[in-house]
Amino acid sequence: LAKTTQPISMDSYEGQEVNITCSHNNIATNDYITWYQQFPSQGPRFIIQGYKTKVTNEVASLFIPADRKSSTLSLPRVSLSDTAVYYCLVTFNDMRFGAGTRLTVKP
Amino acid sequence: ETGVTQTPRHLVMGMTNKKSLKCEQHLGHNAMYWYKQSAKKPLELMFVYSLEERVENNSVPSRFSPECPNSSHLFLHLHTLQPEDSALYLCASSQVIAGTYEQYFGPGTRLTVT
Repeated sequence: LAKTTQPISMDSYEGQEVNITCSHNNIATNDYITWYQQFPSQGPRFIIQGYKTKVTNEVASLFIPADRKSSTLSLPRVSLSDTAVYYCLVTFNDMRFGAGTRLTVKP
Repeated sequence: ETGVTQTPRHLVMGMTNKKSLKCEQHLGHNAMYWYKQSAKKPLELMFVYSLEERVENNSVPSRFSPECPNSSHLFLHLHTLQPEDSALYLCASSQVIAGTYEQYFGPGTRLTVT
């Protein structure tokens, strides 16, 4: 079973910032937090990974509080093409995906 | 293009057929994975190979048989499948370094069992 909990779905509008939170209460010391994006009939695509505090790349930011029991993926100014399923994983010895969060971006 | 290729992209097979799915990674990674994704369901991890040794087998029926002849190639041999095995089969690879790694996925093989 996946060790993470995410909202099943979220709706947003173009141009808005979207924050998706993932709970991982049993995260271990060696675990990293990794987020993937998946479009229909395609394999997931790596978005961002972090261990603590904040990580930012060209597509997203990842915020991790000090206790690391949760994390928040932040997508700035989403567009229609960001409609996808987003998965949060805690990865060290476990590569299991949960149900993910289905994000729908509306015009 | 992620550097992970899968063939065929689509496969229709009868329940008595034997077929194989192929995955090749061009990234120099040391781990490869098979996942199954049924319609509107999460990805299910099937097999993990690390340094060409199988390190995980998630209670997958024996009608699915993986093979990893070298670090760049991964096969999934299929025989006497059931209609419920129809799904998208995804291959992934990663370079495991000190517990942190990114998985790169192939485009998948859409399998239909008739």
